[in-house]
Parts: sequence; structure tokens; C-alpha cells
Amino acid sequence: GESVGLHLPTLSVQEGDNSIINCAYSNSASDYFIWYKQESGKGPQFIIDIRSNMDKRQGQRVTVLLNKTVKHLSLQIAATQPGDSAVYFCAAQPGGATNKLIFGTGTLLAVQP
Amino acid sequence: DGGITQSPKYLFRKEGQNVTLSCEQNLNHDAMYWYRQDPGQGLRLIYYSQIVNDFQKGDIAEGYSVSREKKESFPLTVTSAQKNPTAFYLCASSGPLAGGKDTQYFGPGTRLTVL
Repeated sequence: GESVGLHLPTLSVQEGDNSIINCAYSNSASDYFIWYKQESGKGPQFIIDIRSNMDKRQGQRVTVLLNKTVKHLSLQIAATQPGDSAVYFCAAQPGGATNKLIFGTGTLLAVQP
Repeated sequence: DGGITQSPKYLFRKEGQNVTLSCEQNLNHDAMYWYRQDPGQGLRLIYYSQIVNDFQKGDIAEGYSVSREKKESFPLTVTSAQKNPTAFYLCASSGPLAGGKDTQYFGPGTRLTVL
């Protein structure tokens, strides 16, 4: 099976600094990964995704890095802003015909002014 | 929330009552999902449906039921058999992004509280 975990439950950063949120997965057959942002009381919002045939993907102020050798991915947020404060989840798709996702427990990102 | 609506936002239920949570999507997605979220935990899959008139149990289906009579609708019933129903319930649907992989998009959630 697949399990997804995060290295830190809470990450506190200063406004303007870069943030790095880490995630580990267990199933080497997982072939698709997504990062979600969840603000309090709301549903998760898609941020960025990456397929297993890539090791880096960039979006607006966000970058996802995938290291398949150690089954690890990270989300980097540049110039963190107060609006980035939220819980961030990574999710892994085990591969094959299913579209099911396995979610990690989430990291709370707290941005200090 | 990407064209997925859930209602109501807050729901209160007495013990022993069944309650139905609504999920509607206008994204023309084939697949829909129900998750449960408890404080400090990740999302756990209750049921999912990959096509109309078909659905499968997820990891924690006991005490729940679903139907998928229309492509755009996937209601979840929390029955009295669910021992600990107080939670935040999230509905999602999935459709392809560029590159062919299906990505799940979430609704705003329904917070169910059992009194």
C-alpha cells in the first residue's frame, strides 16, 4: 500500500522568507503527486502537481521537487506572504488505473509578520 | 472551489438520525469522491464513483452510503450506524489536467456535528 507522511507538523517562517515543506511516500510505484493548500474551514485547493517522469516543476512562487530515489517530495514557496498561512497536504497516486489519492496529515505553515 | 458545491456548510444531527450531505459539480467530471477529515489528520476516503450508477467503498465506508444517479451529483448519507460521525466532510471530483493525469478538485466542505 501507500502511506504519505510529512516531516514536520508545523512550520513557522518570517514574511518574505522562503518556505520548504517536505513529504515522504512509501510506494515506489506512485506516479503522480499533488500539493494542496487548505485554509481553515475550507476545502483543499490545488497548488501544483508533478508526475514521476519529472523531478522539478515550477508554478507561480511555488516549486515542487521530486526525488524518486528516496521517495521524497518538497514544496518550496518563495517570498512567503501572510496569505500563504494554511495547512499544506501532499497526496500521492499509487499508479495503475485508479485515480485514488493517498493524503499526508498536513503541515501547518504559520507566516510571522 | 472549482465548480464543486457542497451543502449545507454546517449540519447538526441528533444521535440515531440519518443525514444526507449534498455534492454537485458542473465540471463534467466522471469521477467523484467523498472524504472525511478529522482534526490533525489527513483525508480518509469514504466512497468514490468513477462513473454514473457505479461506486466503490473507500477505506472507511462503514456507516455511510452513496448514490450516483446523475453525473453531476454524488450525495453522501451518514447513517445512524456511523459511530463517530462528527467531522468535516469533503467532496471532490476529478478530471484531467494537461498531460492526461486526473487531478482531484475539492468542494468547500460540510461540517457535521452530532448533538
